[in-house]
Amino acid sequence: ETGVTQTPRHLVMGMTNKKSLKCEQHLGHNAMYWYKQSAKKPLELMFVYSLEERVENNSVPSRFSPECPNSSHLFLHLHTLQPEDSALYLCASSQASGYGYTFGSGTRLTVV
Amino acid sequence: KQEVTQIPAALSVPEGENLVLNCSFTDSAIYNLQWFRQDPGKGLTSLLLIQSSQREQTSGRLNASLDKSSGRSTLYIAASQPGDSATYLCAVTNDYKLSFGAGTTVTVRA
Repeated sequence: ETGVTQTPRHLVMGMTNKKSLKCEQHLGHNAMYWYKQSAKKPLELMFVYSLEERVENNSVPSRFSPECPNSSHLFLHLHTLQPEDSALYLCASSQASGYGYTFGSGTRLTVV
Repeated sequence: KQEVTQIPAALSVPEGENLVLNCSFTDSAIYNLQWFRQDPGKGLTSLLLIQSSQREQTSGRLNASLDKSSGRSTLYIAASQPGDSATYLCAVTNDYKLSFGAGTTVTVRA
């Protein structure tokens, strides 16, 4: 496989559930990102990992918890979400300098 | 904080017409600028990347220009086709971070 792969493609979860989103890149990049895309709003950067260290957390609520076990994998752990967290969650990777951004197809999350 | 604005928010044209999409940004100290395409409910596909030292990039029917000093970029799509219907996003890189505009949604009518 090449590029950036995200699973699952769609997820429906209740507010008391715990679930995880997975992202995998096969591009040799060393930076990975989580973005949130809500309806009618620009993409919002949530988390940045560079060389497996978290370098940015954009005031994201603690009910979102990222994990980057190695430079090829990125997870977003979800717990006790709210309906307003329903959105498209996009993973991306790049070189640490920010060159060569590549996005996955996203996970469409619905919180009920 | 970098702010990116795209005008217009939506555009509808007949097939064959040329498209002009505008992007402006507030902080000119960018590393590069990218144009992406997004189909409904899908991820982003990179169309063109312009390094900060470049003035334009071309790929097929697409041409993007960059005027860093004035904080502007324009994406031209020649001879539009119904398959060009999508949302086009402009994004600028400061350090490693991408800042996005809200996008221009394009509809090309057959």
